[in-house]
Amino acid sequence: DTAVSQTPKYLVTQMGNDKSIKCEQNLGHDTMYWYKQDSKKFLKIMFSYNNKELIINETVPNRFSPKSPDKAHLNLHINSLELGDSAVYFCASSQDRRSGNTIYFGEGSWLTVV
Amino acid sequence: AQKVTQAQTEISVVEKEDVTLDCVYETRDTTYYLFWYKQPPSGELVFLIRRNSFDEQNEISGRYSWNFQKSTSSFNFTITASQVVDSAVYFCALSGLPTSGTYKYIFGTGTRLKVLA
Repeated sequence: DTAVSQTPKYLVTQMGNDKSIKCEQNLGHDTMYWYKQDSKKFLKIMFSYNNKELIINETVPNRFSPKSPDKAHLNLHINSLELGDSAVYFCASSQDRRSGNTIYFGEGSWLTVV
Repeated sequence: AQKVTQAQTEISVVEKEDVTLDCVYETRDTTYYLFWYKQPPSGELVFLIRRNSFDEQNEISGRYSWNFQKSTSSFNFTITASQVVDSAVYFCALSGLPTSGTYKYIFGTGTRLKVLA
């Protein structure tokens, strides 16, 4: 069983569309994350939730809206997609929000906006 | 402020050579954690190792070894007898004490390792 799974893995869509990426973890972790990896491989945190509560909200356009229905799921919805949104989006989880916990990543979702 | 520097953007070696990937970090925290992740061409991010700031012992896992030196703020990663399957982008990361109640991982920019057959 995949510990952190996200769907879809590949997504090609037109500018202006709205899309969602779903994420689920079966590790029993309290904390989940969304990271964005750009074309230069730079990894940057976007959001973090702890037990369904938003705890990190980086400077991200408000077109991006995370939703955590329960602590095992953290979905990412993106409105009005732009070319610059093309990237790889990684979902991840850790035991809890304390420093030093290992973060386990999903396999990534490749988003291409055309 | 916390920072992780991986000065080597790309390294190419021939199979069976040893290679060291450098990681230099900056933090004012006395308690912090360092990590290495591997991102193979297939794209997933694979956790390799976690080390806390109080444990300076070097670690070896098969062909992989890690050298943590607080005096130079470095956490270098060595692959012995490299193999083509080691080709990947390797990330070093730092996690310090929480600010505002929430900690963040700081990732380096990654080092792309190419192992040539």
